[in-house]
Amino acid sequence: GAGVSQTPSNKVTEKGKYVELRCDPISGHTALYWYRQSLGQGPEFLIYFQGTGAADDSGLPNDRFFAVRPEGSVSTLKIQRTERGDSAVYLCASSLTGGDGSETQYFGPGTRLLVL
Amino acid sequence: DAKTTQPNSMESNEEEPVHLPCNHSTISGTDYIHWYRQLPSQGPEYVIHGLTSNVNNRMASLAIAEDRKSSTLILHRATLRDAAVYYCILRATLRAGGTSYGKLTFGQGTILTVHP
Repeated sequence: GAGVSQTPSNKVTEKGKYVELRCDPISGHTALYWYRQSLGQGPEFLIYFQGTGAADDSGLPNDRFFAVRPEGSVSTLKIQRTERGDSAVYLCASSLTGGDGSETQYFGPGTRLLVL
Repeated sequence: DAKTTQPNSMESNEEEPVHLPCNHSTISGTDYIHWYRQLPSQGPEYVIHGLTSNVNNRMASLAIAEDRKSSTLILHRATLRDAAVYYCILRATLRAGGTSYGKLTFGQGTILTVHP
């Protein structure tokens, strides 16, 4: 079956601009996660959705970052007034229910964001 | 989050076994041990997980110390396609918004190089 998909695969923008990154999770997965990966580092948690609601947004770095999942499937990560430090790979993952610590997360290929 | 310690890099020859160690001395009783790997320019990929007992699947084996303070990921016959960054992760079960979930906290991982 289809895995997690993310669009665009690459995004180049200028400092101060607004960007939207999209994630299509695996069909039927209620849990959705966003992570950010800077060069040479492991991914860092940003936000977790259970259905339509953001149950844990403790990883969002500041109020320029916002994410939505209005119908409980596709999610959009929105970044306002982008800064050069926002340049990173943004990864989306989904899992069946969220569940407990044993549940597997399935990752998309990521969106590579470059802020000039 | 409980912390894991892995070697920065390891090397192996093709078709030889590889043992990737991970120390997690502060693991709590309910933390699951997960391993993910990340191939170049791809999102992380689930490899294996366990709680207390050793685990085997088609990709690898996971050996967990009796005191659970360390574990070893075993690739039985390395191939060139196994060259990746391997992450050892302790995954706790969290609760938020009335649901349970488990976010992944990645460290630096081990860069595995496989020589032909």
